[in-house]
Amino acid sequence: NAGVTQTPKFRVLKTGQSMTLLCAQDMNHEYMYWYRQDPGMGLRLIHYSVGEGTTAKGEVPDGYNVSRLKKQNFLLGLESAAPSQTSVYFCASSLLATNSYEQYFGPGTRLTVT
Amino acid sequence: RKEVEQDPGPFNVPEGATVAFNCTYSNSASQSFFWYRQDCRKEPKLLMSVYSSGNEDGRFTAQLNRASQYISLLIRDSKLSDSATYLCVVNNPPGGYNKLIFGAGTRLAVHP
Repeated sequence: NAGVTQTPKFRVLKTGQSMTLLCAQDMNHEYMYWYRQDPGMGLRLIHYSVGEGTTAKGEVPDGYNVSRLKKQNFLLGLESAAPSQTSVYFCASSLLATNSYEQYFGPGTRLTVT
Repeated sequence: RKEVEQDPGPFNVPEGATVAFNCTYSNSASQSFFWYRQDCRKEPKLLMSVYSSGNEDGRFTAQLNRASQYISLLIRDSKLSDSATYLCVVNNPPGGYNKLIFGAGTRLAVHP
């Protein structure tokens, strides 16, 4: 099993450009998440999904959109990139279980917006 | 106030040393607690869960103090391979969706 995969691994955007980050998991997990990680700060939740076709806002959703059309995929979109969105983006997934909180992370996408 | 606070370090220790990290959390309703490990430029991975009675996994011991709202991680006989950032993580009800709050991490550097 590949676990959680993310594409691309690196990307440089100019301000105002758009892009989509793709996350895929092969563990049949219900929950999926998008986080960003910035120096000196913990991972911050951008958006999450509790199942196919459902998404919700996390802690820092502004400037991002998401879609979960298939259970195994969770897409993060930046419609008009800004330098403040320079960050490392991690996707994660977890089982639908009240006593199982382990989240499995993808390898991350390093995004620079100039 | 941050929901989960950790000393950022770095903690520089020699091989074989014992080192302890503390973490405090603000939500008294938090029910689940974890330590994740993150290697440089890699993704976080679960190191261990933290149970009310304390728990041990080899050289690693985790403790929870609910009254004071802090969590600790003790690493005995440090190895070079323990060098990493250790993230304190708590769940944050009423999340309803397995919401985890991550601390910014404590960096450990083990030297020969």
